[in-house]
Amino acid sequence: NAGVMQNPRHLVRRRGQEARLRCSPMKGHSHVYWYRQLPEEGLKFMVYLQKENIIDESGMPKERFSAEFPKEGPSILRIQQVVRGDSAAYFCASSPPFSHLSGNTIYFGEGSWLTVV
Amino acid sequence: AQTVTQSQPEMSVQEAETVTLSCTYDTSESNYYLFWYKQPPSRLMILVIRQEAYKQQNATENRFSVNFQKAAKSFSLKISDSQLGDTAMYFCAFMKHGTYSGGGADGLTFGKGTHLIIQP
Repeated sequence: NAGVMQNPRHLVRRRGQEARLRCSPMKGHSHVYWYRQLPEEGLKFMVYLQKENIIDESGMPKERFSAEFPKEGPSILRIQQVVRGDSAAYFCASSPPFSHLSGNTIYFGEGSWLTVV
Repeated sequence: AQTVTQSQPEMSVQEAETVTLSCTYDTSESNYYLFWYKQPPSRLMILVIRQEAYKQQNATENRFSVNFQKAAKSFSLKISDSQLGDTAMYFCAFMKHGTYSGGGADGLTFGKGTHLIIQP
């Protein structure tokens, strides 16, 4: 089973440009999560999506950030008009529908590093 | 809202020693899950161990075990016979039981991490 796949691994953008980060969940997983990790910090929850639905976006900045998980294709985290403070590692994770066998375990991708110059 | 606190920013032990990483959390939930994740220099987040709050028995995975004290809201990780490959950031994380229709996991709340260094 392939793991959670994220691309690009590294992305450099100038201030004001757009950044798009893609995430393909593990096979059989219909739930996707995005987390952000600032330097020397733990991961902070941003958004939780199921196919075609945003379930919880309480951790996502209200402006410039959006996420989608279409019926076909990967989940996309989009950051418009990037600023230096957006420089961080963005991790995607996925999980299957909840069951008492799988519990609530989620599996992470290797992260996408965004650098804004 | 939940909070997770890791009070040890960095720890260093000799290879083969046993080390314990501490974690405390605050929640009003009664049904939840706790995790330890390892993040080596590659930055990949690797699940080390998980614990369901309703289980009294402490989880164990090979050299890794936890001491889960629900009343004290404490969830420490013990690494026995430490190895050089255990050098990494270790994050404690909390997740409440999924509440959304259709099931599925809720978001994880992470502590700030403990940098564990295993010395040869």
